[in-house]
Amino acid sequence: GENVGLHLPTLSVQEGDNSIINCAYSNSASDYFIWYKQESGKGPQFIIDIRSNMDKRQGQRVTVLLNKTVKHLSLQIAATQPGDSAVYFCAENTGGFKTIFGAGTRLFVKA
Amino acid sequence: DTAVSQTPKYLVTQMGNDKSIKCEQNLGHDTMYWYKQDSKKFLKIMFSYNNKELIINETVPNRFSPKSPDKAHLNLHINSLELGDSAVYFCASSQGTGFYEQYFGPGTRLTVT
Repeated sequence: GENVGLHLPTLSVQEGDNSIINCAYSNSASDYFIWYKQESGKGPQFIIDIRSNMDKRQGQRVTVLLNKTVKHLSLQIAATQPGDSAVYFCAENTGGFKTIFGAGTRLFVKA
Repeated sequence: DTAVSQTPKYLVTQMGNDKSIKCEQNLGHDTMYWYKQDSKKFLKIMFSYNNKELIINETVPNRFSPKSPDKAHLNLHINSLELGDSAVYFCASSQGTGFYEQYFGPGTRLTVT
């Protein structure tokens, strides 16, 4: 449905710690999931994606986990840095045409 | 080189006016989008064009009219602006529909007074 994700929760982490941002999606037919990062005053920026035939995908310092059984997506950021402070959105895509964004999670990184 | 650009970045106008926002992408993408982001950061798709053809038209007032003169451009015209139209509008593009990430422009902050 239209309510992917949580309603802008905030996560505060210490620099150097790992961050985990969670997202719940509602459409079991969704087959493509994307994480975006939005810094203040900028447009969302692609971080990592995963297709529904996978349950884990790794990038540089980021890992996305997909649990289709409970319709849950998570983004793990290793060794969080001040530059990681932003709003993070999960998004789902069904059938290739329409991407639905979650409400976002604000990540604060404390130095 | 800017991949997805929008003009203007800021737009302040009065209720009842008509305004346009322009978007251009130099990525050679086939698909372009308009999103509206409200004050709570919620990002909602408004329109999507693929090869200049409208493929997504969400429940948007017909005061909003997109126009795609070619694959690289997608403009948004808004008639009779209302206070509730105040938001940040993002243009985006992707290589196609399906399993492709979207590239977003810097946004246009529209304030209606």
